Amino acid sequence: QVQLQESGPGLVKPSETLSLTCAVSGFSISSGYFWGWIRQPPGKGLEWIGTIYQTGTTYYNPSLKSRVTTSVDASKNQFSLRLSSVTAADTAVYYCARLRLRLGELSDFDIWGQGTMVTVSS
Amino acid sequence: DIQMTQSPSSLSASVGDRVTITCRASQSISNSLNWYQQKPGKAPKLLIYGASNLQSGIPSRFSGSESGTDFTLTITSLQPEDFASYYCQQSHSIPLTFGGGTKVEIK
Repeated sequence: QVQLQESGPGLVKPSETLSLTCAVSGFSISSGYFWGWIRQPPGKGLEWIGTIYQTGTTYYNPSLKSRVTTSVDASKNQFSLRLSSVTAADTAVYYCARLRLRLGELSDFDIWGQGTMVTVSS
Repeated sequence: DIQMTQSPSSLSASVGDRVTITCRASQSISNSLNWYQQKPGKAPKLLIYGASNLQSGIPSRFSGSESGTDFTLTITSLQPEDFASYYCQQSHSIPLTFGGGTKVEIK
């Protein structure tokens, strides 16, 4: 059974860097899938942050691209998100998810972590 | 960016009702459209991918269809466990974008 679990600080100060890790179990992160981050501000909708492949290929939301970095650690079977210069607008539940390909193109998020709430506040 | 406009934003329905939710893309996205269900405090769950393909383990009362840039999620007989929020998502181009969501409430 494939499972994803986010971890990281629940409180980050403004202007600092938010760092989250997604541990993958029951499946090798090097098995040909993309991996992604999605966030959801309280009471609002979903926003795609970015996506990474095992080779390090990345795709980012242009609205966040200047502040986002993602990486894969195949030895630990996990991937990570760093979001710099955070403000209160970055307060959200952050989800990691597996992103499938369909006909060779990015498609759907078929497996999600439970999500972790990150609050930006001094 | 491709904008995904969902309607309605909320609806009230009874158990057994047929429910239809629509998602309109701002430009052609072929059939690169996925639907998710989200319950309060939980992660989204994939229901439909590629506009009309039922994800494994999802009940057959859920179905998806497309007509040009309009996509529809239909629940043929609403069950108590279906009261939730529903989101569409396009995967045609970067950035991947979601619709604003539809909350299905009990009448």
